[in-house]
Amino acid sequence: DQQVKQNSPSLSVQEGRISILNCDYTNSMFDYFLWYKKYPAEGPTFLISISSIKDKNEDGRFTVFLNKSAKHLSLHIVPSQPGDSAVYFCAASENRGTYKYIFGTGTRLKVLA
Amino acid sequence: ETGVTQSPTHLIKTRGQQVTLRCSSQSGHNTVSWYQQALGQGPQFIFQYYREEENGRGNFPPRFSGLQFPNYSSELNVNALELDDSALYLCASSIQGEGPYEQYFGPGTRLTVT
Repeated sequence: DQQVKQNSPSLSVQEGRISILNCDYTNSMFDYFLWYKKYPAEGPTFLISISSIKDKNEDGRFTVFLNKSAKHLSLHIVPSQPGDSAVYFCAASENRGTYKYIFGTGTRLKVLA
Repeated sequence: ETGVTQSPTHLIKTRGQQVTLRCSSQSGHNTVSWYQQALGQGPQFIFQYYREEENGRGNFPPRFSGLQFPNYSSELNVNALELDDSALYLCASSIQGEGPYEQYFGPGTRLTVT
């Protein structure tokens, strides 16, 4: 059973516009959420995180929104740049004294110049 | 500051063989997690090591085992390789002990089992 789902395998956005990547989860015990970006032949790069006690976290062009009642989080990239073209993964973990992250299947973002 | 490094970059093994993958943590990080990423999938958690002890495990059989050394570097060992073990193996290091943490990934080892 896939506890973290990214239902859009791919997304294309024009340069300068907003990119919105979505992630849904089923486990209400998830306490902490991360977004990663992955380029080919590289490991995932940490982008931004959010705790379940918040509903928004912002870092430069990247903002993550968490809707706990809907078990949904989204990553907004504004403005989108061609260098943002990559695969984006969301990951979630419960707090059981240790954090074991469950990843979604990823969304491939293509920013068109 | 040195990032997470992994070796080797690529590896080809035959079914039934054993393999050891290596990971050097980012400086100052005391925790290492290993993930398996199959083609078209997200990383799947294998296990985590903290202070040289296994600190959590995903749904992987016992033929997947690991070690963490005093310098926080780590090994992933896989025995009796199967074709389905072909994947990208990622390690991620972090600092644990003060609540949630971000993990920093290495570039991965691409394992092909024939």
